[in-house]
Amino acid sequence: KQEVTQIPAALSVPEGENLVLNCSFTDSAIYNLQWFRQDPGKGLTSLLLIQSSQREQTSGRLNASLDKSSGRSTLYIAASQPGDSATYLCAAPTSGGSYIPTFGRGTSLIVHP
Amino acid sequence: NAGVMQNPRHLVRRRGQEARLRCSPMKGHSHVYWYRQLPEEGLKFMVYLQKENIIDESGMPKERFSAEFPKEGPSILRIQQVVRGDSAAYFCASSPPGLAQETQYFGPGTRLLVL
Repeated sequence: KQEVTQIPAALSVPEGENLVLNCSFTDSAIYNLQWFRQDPGKGLTSLLLIQSSQREQTSGRLNASLDKSSGRSTLYIAASQPGDSATYLCAAPTSGGSYIPTFGRGTSLIVHP
Repeated sequence: NAGVMQNPRHLVRRRGQEARLRCSPMKGHSHVYWYRQLPEEGLKFMVYLQKENIIDESGMPKERFSAEFPKEGPSILRIQQVVRGDSAAYFCASSPPGLAQETQYFGPGTRLLVL
């Protein structure tokens, strides 16, 4: 059974800092891993999808890496801004061939001016 | 192209009543997924449906909960005889057929409060 853990649970930083959010998963037989953003009272927005054949994906100031052998992924946010404040969720497939994601509990990020 | 739509956005029910949550997938999407987010917990998978078929309901409670995705119209998540523990945010996601199933697009959710 896949278990996804995210550290830290909460983070509060001043604007401009570079951040690293961590995600670990127990079943490394995954074909992808996805990072989402959730704003308060809203749904989820997909940020980055990393295929198992890739080691990282980049979108703007976001960079996500995947290390299947160690069961870890990191989301790197460069030059953080107040608009980045949200909860960031990591999701890995429930089992090897499944399309159903198992989500972590998220990292709640506050970037203050 | 409108995104995934869910209604109502907020729903209040008294214990013992029925709750019906609706989800309209994105245009062209034939796969629908329902998730539940309990307070202070992560998002949990409930059920995966294609048109007129339930594909995976392994996350659905055995009693009081049911889901459908008819040939026409939205997907419906139905909760009978609601209890306070059913209070949560319910999210629907959709995906197109084929390999693009890997990416799910989420709706804004329905917040259910049981009094």
